Amino acid sequence: KAGVTQTPRYLIKTRGQQVTLSCSPISGHRSVSWYQQTPGQGLQFLFEYFSETQRNKGNFPGRFSGRQFSNSRSEMNVSTLELGDSALYLCASSLEGNRNEKLFFGSGTQLSVL
Amino acid sequence: GESVGLHLPTLSVQEGDNSIINCAYSNSASDYFIWYKQESGKGPQFIIDIRSNMDKRQGQRVTVLLNKTVKHLSLQIAATQPGDSAVYFCAEPEGNTGKLIFGQGTTLQVKP
Repeated sequence: KAGVTQTPRYLIKTRGQQVTLSCSPISGHRSVSWYQQTPGQGLQFLFEYFSETQRNKGNFPGRFSGRQFSNSRSEMNVSTLELGDSALYLCASSLEGNRNEKLFFGSGTQLSVL
Repeated sequence: GESVGLHLPTLSVQEGDNSIINCAYSNSASDYFIWYKQESGKGPQFIIDIRSNMDKRQGQRVTVLLNKTVKHLSLQIAATQPGDSAVYFCAEPEGNTGKLIFGQGTTLQVKP
């Protein structure tokens, strides 16, 4: 069974641009979560989608948004990029998104904002 | 709310020795903890988990100990190998959601 797939692997953008990252969960997994990882802040939760609905949201500004499609694939978008948005963006999937389920992570998209 | 923190940012051990990575948590009601391993260029990978009704859980070369009295858990890796070099995170779910709160991570360096 294929793991969580994230594209692209690397991305370089300039301030003010917008970016869209893609995530394909493990087949059969209906919950997709996004995390931001930086050296200073560590791993921080962005949001979680289940059945095409955002179910949980972290403390990030409205510039960060996402969506989930009927096949459970998910995208996240960051608008008006800032230097501080440079980070590794990780997608994780699980069957139902319940608290005791294992989360399976992709390898991430490394975003650099210049 | 929940919060987890690791004690040491970096741990250096000799190949073949045992490694112990520590983590503290703040919420006495926390009842489920997970350890993740993140190798360079990869996402976090599940290692082992433990529920609060247990004090100890063993996996393959790894053991997690939970001390609810002092709100502390540790990950022990036996006979540490070069392939164990990675960043290790403890994590716990927030409330009844699947959202995970991660500690800052401990970098394990294995010297040959």
